[in-house]
Amino acid sequence: GEDVEQSLFLSVREGDSSVINCTYTDSSSTYLYWYKQEPGAGLQLLTYIFSNMDMKQDQRLTVLLNKKDKHLSLRIADTQTGDSAIYFCAETLVFSGGYNKLIFGAGTRLAVHP
Amino acid sequence: GAGVSQSPRYKVTKRGQDVALRCDPISGHVSLYWYRQALGQGPEFLTYFNYEAQQDKSGLPNDRFSAERPEGSISTLTIQRTEQRDSAMYRCASSLDVPSSGANVLTFGAGSRLTVL
Repeated sequence: GEDVEQSLFLSVREGDSSVINCTYTDSSSTYLYWYKQEPGAGLQLLTYIFSNMDMKQDQRLTVLLNKKDKHLSLRIADTQTGDSAIYFCAETLVFSGGYNKLIFGAGTRLAVHP
Repeated sequence: GAGVSQSPRYKVTKRGQDVALRCDPISGHVSLYWYRQALGQGPEFLTYFNYEAQQDKSGLPNDRFSAERPEGSISTLTIQRTEQRDSAMYRCASSLDVPSSGANVLTFGAGSRLTVL
């Protein structure tokens, strides 16, 4: 089956690191994604990682992938108030028809306080 | 256009009415997806278009839901005889290519929030 699970809420102090965790079920997922949703806005792609990689770093963002445990995490260094948003993890379901679709988790609400 | 445009942004309707939600994807984008997002949940896949061909409609909840993309550009999601349980944010996304083995970079619109009274 297809299921992506995330913890629902995370609260951090400004300047600390945030770690948002996700587990997925489809071992054939080729890419895994992190999207950010701010109030009144669409989902914005933050970063993605190919399934044969263990880690990807992009400025303040670090993605770690444990393919064996089907566990994905997003670390935000030096978290700022502007990082307050809902973060969605997504896995890829690939179909023989030559297309794929993203399956999203329920999202983790990150609250950053002074 | 510069981004994915959806209209209306907000729609309030009475139970039993039909609604049509429009998506204008980024110009030249081949793939178009519709997702539904209930409050406190992640986006749930509804349907996928490759140009004008509806390649996957497995996520449409029932036969009251339909979608079309007749010229391979603008798409319309139609819900007939709306029910209160249809209330949600409906999101459209597009991507440049048909995603096969590469990363599927979706650009989402701001969504259409539907409220059925």
